[in-house]
Amino acid sequence: DADVTQTPRNRITKTGKRIMLECSQTKGHDRMYWYRQDPGLGLRLIYYSFDVKDINKGEISDGYSVSRQAQAKFSLSLESAIPNQTALYFCATSDSTVNQPQHFGDGTRLSIL
Amino acid sequence: ELKVEQNPLFLSMQEGKNYTIYCNYSTTSDRLYWYRQDPGKSLESLFVLLSNGAVKQEGRLMASLDTKARLSTLHITAAVHDLSATYFCAVDGGGSNYKLTFGKGTLLTVNP
Repeated sequence: DADVTQTPRNRITKTGKRIMLECSQTKGHDRMYWYRQDPGLGLRLIYYSFDVKDINKGEISDGYSVSRQAQAKFSLSLESAIPNQTALYFCATSDSTVNQPQHFGDGTRLSIL
Repeated sequence: ELKVEQNPLFLSMQEGKNYTIYCNYSTTSDRLYWYRQDPGKSLESLFVLLSNGAVKQEGRLMASLDTKARLSTLHITAAVHDLSATYFCAVDGGGSNYKLTFGKGTLLTVNP
C-alpha cells in the first residue's frame, strides 16, 4: 500500500461545483502539504499544516480551503471550481524531527469544464 | 520572497554525454532537495543537501550545494535513456520551516 494515498486519482467536473480532494498517510508524519502542478510552472504550495491544529496558507491559497481531520488526513476543497483550477494536485508529508525530503502522493488529475 | 530558478528548462542530450542542471535561489538557505518526476507520475526524492559544500552521488547523478553562491548543481555523467524525466530542485525557506519552493523543472530527454 502507498504511504501517501490521494483520492480520487482523476476527476472531471463542471464550473461552480464543490470538490474535495482527500489525502491520507501511514507514515506517521506530522506535516502535510497540498501543491498544484501546472505545465511549465513547477509545483506551487496551496496550504500546509504542521499539526492537527495548525493550518497555513501557501503561495496560491485563494479559491481553496483545507481541513486537517486527523494527523493522518488532510483534505483540500474547491468551494466553487473554475476552469483555471484545472491542474495536477499533489499531497505531501514530512517529519518535523528529521531533515528528510517531503514524500508525495501519486497525485489527483482534476479537470474543470 | 524566495525565488528558485532552474536552467535549462529543456535539455536534449545524447546517450553517453555529460551535462549539468543549475538551480539558483534568491535568499539564504542551507536545505535543498532534488526530485525526479516521470511523465504522469509522482515526485521521487533524489538528493537531500543540508550544508554548504554538500555533495551526494547516486549512479550517474551527482548533486552539490554552494550556499554562499546560492547555487546547486545536478551533474549527469554518461547519460542513458532511463534518465529521461523532469528534474526539480526545491529550496527550504530557512529555519525549521520545511516549506519548499520549487523550481520550474528541467525536462531532460536522453536520445539514443
